Amino acid sequence: GENVEQHPSTLSVQEGDSAVIKCTYSDSASNYFPWYKQELGKRPQLIIDIRSNVGEKKDQRIAVTLNKTAKHFSLHITETQPEDSAVYFCAASTHNNDMRFGAGTRLTVKP
Amino acid sequence: NAGVMQNPRHLVRRRGQEARLRCSPMKGHSHVYWYRQLPEEGLKFMVYLQKENIIDESGMPKERFSAEFPKEGPSILRIQQVVRGDSAAYFCASSPPSATDTQYFGPGTRLTVL
Repeated sequence: GENVEQHPSTLSVQEGDSAVIKCTYSDSASNYFPWYKQELGKRPQLIIDIRSNVGEKKDQRIAVTLNKTAKHFSLHITETQPEDSAVYFCAASTHNNDMRFGAGTRLTVKP
Repeated sequence: NAGVMQNPRHLVRRRGQEARLRCSPMKGHSHVYWYRQLPEEGLKFMVYLQKENIIDESGMPKERFSAEFPKEGPSILRIQQVVRGDSAAYFCASSPPSATDTQYFGPGTRLTVL
């Protein structure tokens, strides 16, 4: 089955700096890669996603890149703000909707 | 359009009791997924259901756990004879028929086993 690895497990940046979180996956059939943000005690919220026919997608300060050959994808947050502090999860799934999540990255943005 | 609903939000059970967790998907969504999240850990897939069918239960323990999504009513995750190790947050997610890979999460049920 799919195995998703996520790094780093914790990330601390200064407000205004960029943050990058990286994930790798094992199943070459995976074709959908969402990213979720989870604040303490809250539900995971979908913040951006990318499908395997696209290499990059951007939404304001958030961007995701996908390298199918290397089987890795990354989340980029620019101009970070304290409210970006949360745990971020990457995930991967195939057409069978068998989504598997990474272990999460705890991002702290220091004012 | 209400989001994914889960109840109860908090559930306390003693060892050996049964826990029933309910999930009402978003309107028009026919696919439901259940995940378990231990404190400070990621989301672990448990089961994927469509109406009246279990599609994938590879993440669900073979004993004590069961799930259903009847034709009418919410999806139910049932844990029999709970043990302390079952204490966790249980999230369900749903997706529409048109985009079955896009999942929207409910607020979760926090189960505490005393």
